[in-house]
Amino acid sequence: GAVVSQHPSWVICKSGTSVKIECRSLDFQATTMFWYRQFPKQSLMLMATSNEGSKATYEQGVEKDKFLINHASLTLSTLTVTSAHPEDSSFYICSAKPVGLESNEQFFGPGTRLTVL
Amino acid sequence: GQNIDQPTEMTATEGAIVQINCTYQTSGFNGLFWYQQHAGEAPTFLSYNVLDGLEEKGRFSSFLSRSKGYSYLLLKELQMKDSASYLCAVLNSNYQLIWGAGTKLIIKP
Repeated sequence: GAVVSQHPSWVICKSGTSVKIECRSLDFQATTMFWYRQFPKQSLMLMATSNEGSKATYEQGVEKDKFLINHASLTLSTLTVTSAHPEDSSFYICSAKPVGLESNEQFFGPGTRLTVL
Repeated sequence: GQNIDQPTEMTATEGAIVQINCTYQTSGFNGLFWYQQHAGEAPTFLSYNVLDGLEEKGRFSSFLSRSKGYSYLLLKELQMKDSASYLCAVLNSNYQLIWGAGTKLIIKP
């Protein structure tokens, strides 16, 4: 159980276009989902915390108008990278915290590799 | 500030034992996680410690000392498939995961 999926797995786009990444919890409900970015050989960097039905909380230095997050249901959160540029190329990973789970474990999606040309 | 320190890289021999250390300074503490991450993949959960002491799970064990801000991950009977990065992460008082940079473990035959 506790499976999180992401779509797409990888995407290549032209500079200036927008890309939407979906994060779904397949067999559980998650009021809270997290979006991370990971550059090569670096640690995961939390971008934002997404709460179902409310606005996302962005980390310092992350532009909320550039990285649009929508958490419309208990099983789906989306991250849209608007007007993507080559420096946005990275590995984007989401995680979800199950409702009611006593432990504080987060379950991770497989990640989305974004390459902006 | 908040920071997690762990060695950048370690090398060990197949069949041996290796200990990966992690020290942390965070705003509050709600538990420490160890994750395994293979190149190009998302992290996978290994262990969670919130109380002091040793948690054993098969070939992997994790230890926590909250007073020292210290944890280690112990891997026994190393296999080639254990070659990966091992990430230490602490859940702070805001329930945000603060991540270490990861320790790349290289297993040699």
